Amino acid sequence: DQQVKQNSPSLSVQEGRISILNCDYTNSMFDYFLWYKKYPAEGPTFLISISSIKDKNEDGRFTVFLNKSAKHLSLHIVPSQPGDSAVYFCAAISSGNTGKLIFGQGTTLQVKP
Amino acid sequence: NAGVMQNPRHLVRRRGQEARLRCSPMKGHSHVYWYRQLPEEGLKFMVYLQKENIIDESGMPKERFSAEFPKEGPSILRIQQVVRGDSAAYFCASSRGQETQYFGPGTRLLVL
Repeated sequence: DQQVKQNSPSLSVQEGRISILNCDYTNSMFDYFLWYKKYPAEGPTFLISISSIKDKNEDGRFTVFLNKSAKHLSLHIVPSQPGDSAVYFCAAISSGNTGKLIFGQGTTLQVKP
Repeated sequence: NAGVMQNPRHLVRRRGQEARLRCSPMKGHSHVYWYRQLPEEGLKFMVYLQKENIIDESGMPKERFSAEFPKEGPSILRIQQVVRGDSAAYFCASSRGQETQYFGPGTRLLVL
């Protein structure tokens, strides 16, 4: 029962181009979404979040879009840099729950110089 | 301004031994979460604690696993009689309230 899905295991983009990472969810009770970045042998690092009352949140090179009707969110990174190469996890919370994060399987992003 | 600290970073145990994983939350954070990442998988929630209380343990295996967050000291995730299937990365996260969680570097447990 995978409530948060990242259907693309990997993505490769050229430096300077846009990276788009996608995430789908099934639970309509989710009301807060987060993106984490993870390097090998390290813990996830928080990147950006969005509340379900918004459809867009921007922070520097990172923008997250939320389409509630489609139960879909995406993370845009522009311009992509080689240092962005990592595994990206989408996560969701239901505030009616205890705040536990439900994670997707992750997408490995490779940014080529 | 130290982040979430976990130790040890790596832990090797033989089958049947006990594993103790420690987590010190960020300063000012009273909410602690434990997650487990099996190879080639995403992180899975295990347990959520506040000081001296277990709030949600719905992700904890029913046997051999326990967690605590005492009034003083770090949170402890304890695995008794470890088996090979317990080999994974265990991550601790903390938050000030039920909002953004910040993760530690993880403990990589290898059961021989």
